[in-house]
Amino acid sequence: ELKVEQNPLFLSMQEGKNYTIYCNYSTTSDRLYWYRQDPGKSLESLFVLLSNGAVKQEGRLMASLDTKARLSTLHITAAVHDLSATYFCAVHTGTASKLTFGTGTRLQVTL
Amino acid sequence: DTGVSQDPRHKITKRGQNVTFRCDPISEHNRLYWYRQTLGQGPEFLTYFQNEAQLEKSRLLSDRFSAERPKGSFSTLEIQRTEQGDSAMYLCASSLGTGGRRGSLLAKNIQYFGAGTRLSVL
Repeated sequence: ELKVEQNPLFLSMQEGKNYTIYCNYSTTSDRLYWYRQDPGKSLESLFVLLSNGAVKQEGRLMASLDTKARLSTLHITAAVHDLSATYFCAVHTGTASKLTFGTGTRLQVTL
Repeated sequence: DTGVSQDPRHKITKRGQNVTFRCDPISEHNRLYWYRQTLGQGPEFLTYFQNEAQLEKSRLLSDRFSAERPKGSFSTLEIQRTEQGDSAMYLCASSLGTGGRRGSLLAKNIQYFGAGTRLSVL
């Protein structure tokens, strides 16, 4: 059974600081997604990573994928308060169309 | 609004009652998914449709749960004889899938989520 683990589960950081969220998964995957969820809101797609070594950047967020290590990272550069949310990685496997989500990382950026 | 819409947003029911939720996907999307999310957890897959065909069901989907997508457009998720353990956020998502000529492979496989239906079973 596919397991997806994120760490840390909770992250409190000051504005302007950098940090990385890690996502490990247990079986081979052809696609990895990062989503953001604000309290009481829907999940918003941030990145889709398709291949080993893929790197995507949007604003202060950068995601990367190492399929050999079964690891994805979401790096936050110079955090701002607006980035406060819960971030999920999700893994797509084989021909199944479902996503298996990690438990999420709740990010709190303090002023 | 052209996103995924779900109705109702909130549902409070008594244990043993039946409830039904509706999901309207993005109009050109032929794939539709249901997930369940409990507090502090990531969404868990329940079931998936391609057009009107239900192609995959999780073992989480007990026989009290049934989902339909009769015309390949909107979908309903019904829970019969609700239990307190059914209390959760029920999320619907849709994706373009393999249909249509527009969009890259990347765009076709992104699942777009609705705001969810929060179910509370008393």
